[in-house]
Amino acid sequence: QKEVEQNSGPLSVPEGAIASLNCTYSDRGSQSFFWYRQYSGKSPELIMSIYSNGDKEDGRFTAQLNKASQYVSLLIRDSQPSDSATYLCAGGRGNTGKLIFGQGTTLQVKP
Amino acid sequence: GAVVSQHPSWVICKSGTSVKIECRSLDFQATTMFWYRQFPKQSLMLMATSNEGSKATYEQGVEKDKFLINHASLTLSTLTVTSAHPEDSSFYICSAGTSGGTGELFFGEGSRLTVL
Repeated sequence: QKEVEQNSGPLSVPEGAIASLNCTYSDRGSQSFFWYRQYSGKSPELIMSIYSNGDKEDGRFTAQLNKASQYVSLLIRDSQPSDSATYLCAGGRGNTGKLIFGQGTTLQVKP
Repeated sequence: GAVVSQHPSWVICKSGTSVKIECRSLDFQATTMFWYRQFPKQSLMLMATSNEGSKATYEQGVEKDKFLINHASLTLSTLTVTSAHPEDSSFYICSAGTSGGTGELFFGEGSRLTVL
């Protein structure tokens, strides 16, 4: 079992729709979770971080964490073609900085 | 966010040669940096944790004698791929987090290595 799992996709949504990206993790000791966006050929860019159960909103992005279910999600509202990228979910323990990444979900937003 | 810079962004070398990649934290000090490798259409795989002033910690399956890591200062870590072979061709990315931060990592631009 992989420590952090994501559906590789591709997930295709029309422009303006809500994109929902999901991630599960196996290490119950994980305390911090992150969503990174990676465009093809580029390095990952931090989008959201979440540390406690519930929702965290930042602009068009909402991260959700459910530690009991070991589940993390990212919602992107009003999806734009520029959101088309691979989204990486990552989990870590404390503030060690050592993160374990999922395989990433490719999102395609069609005009 | 914090800025991490990597150099070179791409490099082509002949099989058997060594290649050095530099990773710098530009606006903060990083006692720990991380080196990842990413093959096409795959996720980031942690290779090693680079510790300032001490030996790097390598992940299982990563050859420490092949991937030499030096973290001589609080702002610079280097990865040297020794005796590179075509199977070492990959996207190498370094990252660092800020001291006292909440665990997020900031990534360098990445270095694409092609071994002929």
